[in-house]
Amino acid sequence: NAGVTQTPKFRVLKTGQSMTLLCAQDMNHEYMYWYRQDPGMGLRLIHYSVGEGTTAKGEVPDGYNVSRLKKQNFLLGLESAAPSQTSVYFCASTPFGGGREQYFGPGTRLTVT
Amino acid sequence: EDQVTQSPEALRLQEGESSSLNCSYTVSGLRGLFWYRQDPGKGPEFLFTLYSAGEEKEKERLKATLTKKESFLHITAPKPEDSATYLCAVQAAYSGAGSYQLTFGKGTKLSVIP
Repeated sequence: NAGVTQTPKFRVLKTGQSMTLLCAQDMNHEYMYWYRQDPGMGLRLIHYSVGEGTTAKGEVPDGYNVSRLKKQNFLLGLESAAPSQTSVYFCASTPFGGGREQYFGPGTRLTVT
Repeated sequence: EDQVTQSPEALRLQEGESSSLNCSYTVSGLRGLFWYRQDPGKGPEFLFTLYSAGEEKEKERLKATLTKKESFLHITAPKPEDSATYLCAVQAAYSGAGSYQLTFGKGTKLSVIP
């Protein structure tokens, strides 16, 4: 039982390049989330999914797209990376039902130059 | 708008010196308040969930308490391995579209000196 895994762990992009971050969970959780964490800003929600085939915008969605084609995977895409997207990205998941804790992955550190 | 404010931003303790971290919140109906621990370069690790005022939970040297406006994380006789950033988050009873979103504070960075 690996929990929540993220690939890659580190990535450096040039402005304008694109990439996809992959999140996978093996806990059969319904809900999945993408956050970014910046110094002094705390964790901010980018996009989330309440089930396979669904996605919705969070607090800071601009410049990102997501897809949830399979229940266990949640992909975060950057179509044209900008230096402002330099951050640490975390994926999380939680089972159906409120009041349950979210389980986090180890993070992806992305630098855009 | 849900808000979470954690204080202090940073705290240095001598080993064995007990203290408390504060999490003040405003939320339109609290479904749950969560405490996480985050080590450098790692993802947040779940510690506690509190659901109603007056509730307390303990784990080793940590004890979390909840009132209607704030939560405290009490650390008793801390050890150097307790050094980490502690995050507080709230989940509103009516989070958007049944999303069960969490609103996080910025965290308290705890350093325990041997």
